[in-house]
Formats: sequence, structure tokens, C-alpha cells
Amino acid sequence: QQQVKQSPQSLIVQKGGISIINCAYENTAFDYFPWYQQFPGKGPALLIAIRPDVSEKKEGRFTISFNKSAKQFSLHIMDSQPGDSATYFCAASMFGNEKLTFGTGTRLTIIP
Amino acid sequence: GAGVSQSPSNKVTEKGKDVELRCDPISGHTALYWYRQSLGQGLEFLIYFQGNSAPDKSGLPSDRFSAERTGGSVSTLTIQRTQQEDSAVYLCASSLAGTAQGTIYFGEGSWLTVV
Repeated sequence: QQQVKQSPQSLIVQKGGISIINCAYENTAFDYFPWYQQFPGKGPALLIAIRPDVSEKKEGRFTISFNKSAKQFSLHIMDSQPGDSATYFCAASMFGNEKLTFGTGTRLTIIP
Repeated sequence: GAGVSQSPSNKVTEKGKDVELRCDPISGHTALYWYRQSLGQGLEFLIYFQGNSAPDKSGLPSDRFSAERTGGSVSTLTIQRTQQEDSAVYLCASSLAGTAQGTIYFGEGSWLTVV
């Protein structure tokens, strides 16, 4: 069974702090790892994605760190803001398979 | 429209009834996906359509679930003889590139409650 395990289930971070969400996968055939952000009542939206040929990708305050040997990847949100409060999903897919396998999500709350 | 449009946004139905959920993808997008999001769970792949190719139905949980896409655009997900465990948000998504390894645009979902 292809699985992506995500932790923590929920996270509370103070404004200005760093939010870190972790994911681990089992299938070494996965070669694309996106993160999606979902606000209440909305559909998920692609936030940032990485391929296993690089160990880190940064877009603004959002960074993905990727550890191929450990089969783990994480999302770091720097200088977290109240507007970042949302549910975050990691996912994985393999080339040629149109299915995204999602983690169970992390509800992030940024407090003032 | 500017985004993926889904209807109804909310549906309450009695156990045993059939329901139809509609998805109108972004104009010009050839790929269309259905996912299911249950409370406290991640998104679960249901079905994928790409152009005129045969759909990938590998995620449909039972033969009570079916989907079609007419004219390469609008899609309908049908659930027959609904059960309480079918209660979830059903999300439709579309993409231009036709690959999961690109930007996929999700609709706001159809929230189904089976009572």
C-alpha cells in the first residue's frame, strides 16, 4: 500500500516563528513531492513542490527540505503569519501515474 | 468560469438514495480528477480522465461509484444506494498539462452528508 505519513496532526505557532511539518513515504518510485494549502471551505491549492534530485527548494517564506535516503521531506514556513493558518497536505506521485497520494493533513494555527 | 466549479456545494441525502455531483473544469483543461476528503483524512484518489483516453478508475471504492465525462468537459460523479460512510467532501480538480506532476486546480468541493 502506497502511503505518505504526515505529522503533526495539528500545530500552533506564534506569529513570527517557524512552522515545520514533516512527511515520510515508503515507495521509492515516488519522484514528485508537492505541498498543498487548504483554507476552510476551499479546495487545496498547490503551494510548492520538489523533485528528489535536489535537497531543498525555497519560494519566499516556504521551504521544502528533502532527505532521499531517509525517505522524508518537510515544509518549513519562516516568519509565520496569521494568514498562514490553514490545513497543509503533503503528497507524492510517480511519473506516469496520475494519482497523487496525500498525507492526512496538518492543521496549522498561527497565534499573535 | 475562472476556476473549477462544483455543484451542489452541499447535499444531504437519505441512506439508499442516489446522488449526482457535477464538476465543470477550467476551460481548456484536458485532465480531470475526482478526490474524496473524509473528516480527519487526507485526500483519496477516485478517478482520472484525460482527453479521450479510457479513465483511470482504480480509486473508486465500490461499484456503487461511477463517473463520466461528456464532451471532454463536464464530469458527473454518481453514487448509487448511498451509505453513511460515503459522507465526505468530494473534490474535483483539473489540469492543463494532464499530469499529476504539475499544477492541479481544485474546486471547492461538494459536501455530501448521508443520513
